Amino acid sequence: DTAVSQTPKYLVTQMGNDKSIKCEQNLGHDTMYWYKQDSKKFLKIMFSYNNKELIINETVPNRFSPKSPDKAHLNLHINSLELGDSAVYFCASSGGGVSFFGPGTRLTVL
Amino acid sequence: GDSVTQMEGPVTLSEEAFLTINCTYTATGYPSLFWYVQYPGEGLQLLLKATKADDKGSNKGFEATYRKETTSFHLEKGSVQVSDSAVYFCALRILNYGGSQGNLIFGKGTKLSVKP
Repeated sequence: DTAVSQTPKYLVTQMGNDKSIKCEQNLGHDTMYWYKQDSKKFLKIMFSYNNKELIINETVPNRFSPKSPDKAHLNLHINSLELGDSAVYFCASSGGGVSFFGPGTRLTVL
Repeated sequence: GDSVTQMEGPVTLSEEAFLTINCTYTATGYPSLFWYVQYPGEGLQLLLKATKADDKGSNKGFEATYRKETTSFHLEKGSVQVSDSAVYFCALRILNYGGSQGNLIFGKGTKLSVKP
């Protein structure tokens, strides 16, 4: 059983389009996150949710809108995609002081 | 603010060589410390962790000790294998926000290549 899953694994799209990435965790954790990994492998927190409520929004453009329909899901919607949005996006959840990561979604904006 | 600094890579070693990847941190309070590993094309996996000063985390032959006096959490392995080739990230978890699990702050990652 996959603990944290994301779809899709790869996403290739044109500038200006709107796209969504879905994330689900079956670990029963209250806290979920989105991280962005750039081309140099640097990882940075984007959002943190606890029990469906936004806790952290780290100066991310408002084109990025996370949505948590329930505790097990945290989706990421991106409007008006730009070239600089190309990256790998990781979903994660935390419990007991440990974070578990999804496999990542590689977004390529052409 | 809180931050993690780890040695720049890439690091290239021969099989059975000794590995050290340095990691130092700056944090308010007493963070938990982690090493995560990312194999090519995959997500991050927890390698080991330590939650308080002098704790030693260990897993798969890797170990790291939480040194409060030097604010360090260096990763070591006595004898690396080709299968250890990956990117290694040092991270700290900042204080919880209102009871939630705080997010991780990562170092820039160190790419390790082990040659047979």
